[in-house]
Amino acid sequence: DTEVTQTPKHLVMGMTNKKSLKCEQHMGHRAMYWYKQKAKKPPELMFVYSYEKLSINESVPSRFSPECPNSSLLNLHLHALQPEDSALYLCASSPPRGSPNTEAFFGQGTRLTVV
Amino acid sequence: AQKVTQAQTEISVVEKEDVTLDCVYETRDTTYYLFWYKQPPSGELVFLIRRNSFDEQNEISGRYSWNFQKSTSSFNFTITASQVVDSAVYFCALNPMDSSYKLIFGSGTRLLVRP
Repeated sequence: DTEVTQTPKHLVMGMTNKKSLKCEQHMGHRAMYWYKQKAKKPPELMFVYSYEKLSINESVPSRFSPECPNSSLLNLHLHALQPEDSALYLCASSPPRGSPNTEAFFGQGTRLTVV
Repeated sequence: AQKVTQAQTEISVVEKEDVTLDCVYETRDTTYYLFWYKQPPSGELVFLIRRNSFDEQNEISGRYSWNFQKSTSSFNFTITASQVVDSAVYFCALNPMDSSYKLIFGSGTRLLVRP
């Protein structure tokens, strides 16, 4: 099962709302990622968790707060977002460094609109 | 600097034509991975291929083939007898084979296959 599941698929939120994006994988991958993708641009890395510990934070504003409750789940908590944060948010997972296969598998994303 | 260049922003072909998507990369690392991903309108990035820097063998998978040339730092992707379902954005990506989990994406090539 090479599947990464993201919920919700679409989300509209006001600038004062608090919401969470969820991501789940059951491939036994120990690295999980959040990417942000604006229209007609490539994905931009936001966060990486390795063995449930935050490994990379690409200077993301604190209104985005990641959480990795266990090896299968990854959340992204959103608070006080701005309209320019509207984008496609992609979750991905991969085997850890040193594995023979290192490709990341992506979910279908959450299309977020901030109004 | 680590960089991936996909000079073709958009390509339009008629069904059954062959099409080649170009990818040129820059890296100081001697070992690295290269990837191609497909992003259909649904949003999910679909993994197509991984190539290690020490393996310059070309690969064919059905109608897809990849030409990796270290001498020119290129990793081009050819679709033979294109089909409408091949319409998507295609991303080439670079990952240094060290402890970094970062995928460096090119800007993507939008392929439109017309019936």
